[in-house]
Amino acid sequence: NAGVMQNPRHLVRRRGQEARLRCSPMKGHSHVYWYRQLPEEGLKFMVYLQKENIIDESGMPKERFSAEFPKEGPSILRIQQVVRGDSAAYFCASSPPGVHNSPLHFGNGTRLTVT
Amino acid sequence: DAKTTQPNSMESNEEEPVHLPCNHSTISGTDYIHWYRQLPSQGPEYVIHGLTSNVNNRMASLAIAEDRKSSTLILHRATLRDAAVYYCILRDYSGGSNYKLTFGKGTLLTVNP
Repeated sequence: NAGVMQNPRHLVRRRGQEARLRCSPMKGHSHVYWYRQLPEEGLKFMVYLQKENIIDESGMPKERFSAEFPKEGPSILRIQQVVRGDSAAYFCASSPPGVHNSPLHFGNGTRLTVT
Repeated sequence: DAKTTQPNSMESNEEEPVHLPCNHSTISGTDYIHWYRQLPSQGPEYVIHGLTSNVNNRMASLAIAEDRKSSTLILHRATLRDAAVYYCILRDYSGGSNYKLTFGKGTLLTVNP
């Protein structure tokens, strides 16, 4: 059973470009979480999605950031008009539906560098 | 989410047991205690979780105080691969469908050969 897959592993963007980060959850998992880890800092929650629904986006910056988890395909975290401060590691996690006690399974992240 | 307090760092020797403490004095009755770790350049990895009773799995043991205001993650024989940041997290199941984890700064464990 493959784990949570994130791609690309590394992404370099110039200021003003768009960044698209993909996350394929584990098989059978319909809950997806996105976290951001700035250099030398802890993991910060961004958004929690279930299939086709955003459940909690309290950690998402108000502008330029968006997330989706369509019925088919991976979850996408989209950052428009990137700035240097967006440089960070972005981690995705997944968990199965209906199992309240289930741990989160994390991918190995996408490291975004904005030049 | 209720907060946890962990030492910033700890050091251990290879093959010796490690006891990683966590204080959570404001824990509520519906909070589970979760432990994750993050190895360098990797995503967090689930270690163990519990509610009231002590728990054991192949990775570690979790000892929970009787009043639940503190807990200890026990690695029985540390290896170099256990060097990581360890996070103690309270996860609330009181209602709704929001099961997010809130990470603190964790404890950086160094394992000496």
